[in-house]
Amino acid sequence: SSELTQDPAVSVALGQTVRITCQGDSLRNYFASWYQQKPGQAPLLVMYSQDTRPSGIPDRFSGSRSGNTASLTITGTQAEDEADYYCNSRDISGNHNWVFGGGTKLTVL
Amino acid sequence: EVQLVESGGGLVKPGGSLRLSCAASGFTFSTYSITWVRQSPGGGLEWVSSTSSTSDYIYYADSVKGRFTISRDYAKNSLYLQMNSLRAEDTAIYFCAGGDYGDYLRLDYWGQGALVTVSS
Repeated sequence: SSELTQDPAVSVALGQTVRITCQGDSLRNYFASWYQQKPGQAPLLVMYSQDTRPSGIPDRFSGSRSGNTASLTITGTQAEDEADYYCNSRDISGNHNWVFGGGTKLTVL
Repeated sequence: EVQLVESGGGLVKPGGSLRLSCAASGFTFSTYSITWVRQSPGGGLEWVSSTSSTSDYIYYADSVKGRFTISRDYAKNSLYLQMNSLRAEDTAIYFCAGGDYGDYLRLDYWGQGALVTVSS
């Protein structure tokens, strides 16, 4: 079982804002990264260090953290944002082990 | 163009061994940490192993510790994952990814994945 908990599925209307969350005790101490994965493709890094976007990632993607919850927010969601999203951080032990959340399937209506 | 290309996947019986390779090009391989991440059919992502840019630091998930060995050949710009004592639950697509690690995995570059199926 994952130490990072994500909602299995979230839906959003085209053009609206959606927040995808990731909960875990380790997030009180460690930042998270976020990956987008479309069917048949490798994951793509969309956010790291909680709120830093890699080059090429649209600025409609933003990240934040509060307490034990990290969030990925998409403002003005586009059809091409429909994908699975995974959060990642160190595990609660603090050892050099990393865990992914179970993933959130985002559907754009 | 940055490329990571995995090879070596296939069908293997439980208890068997397999070695995955990951060939890197288009970036300075020796300055990047490299990580293996796997994804079971229809499942989520699972961190498997990471090695630092110098190979001085190597980490394994508990689920593979003692069975899998990560290594890199700097002359060939390649990374390897030797997998021994394979189990059905090791069945997955294995991705190699380049980037860094710390609080989180910052994996900037990904290969297309190699499918490993463990079945009798």
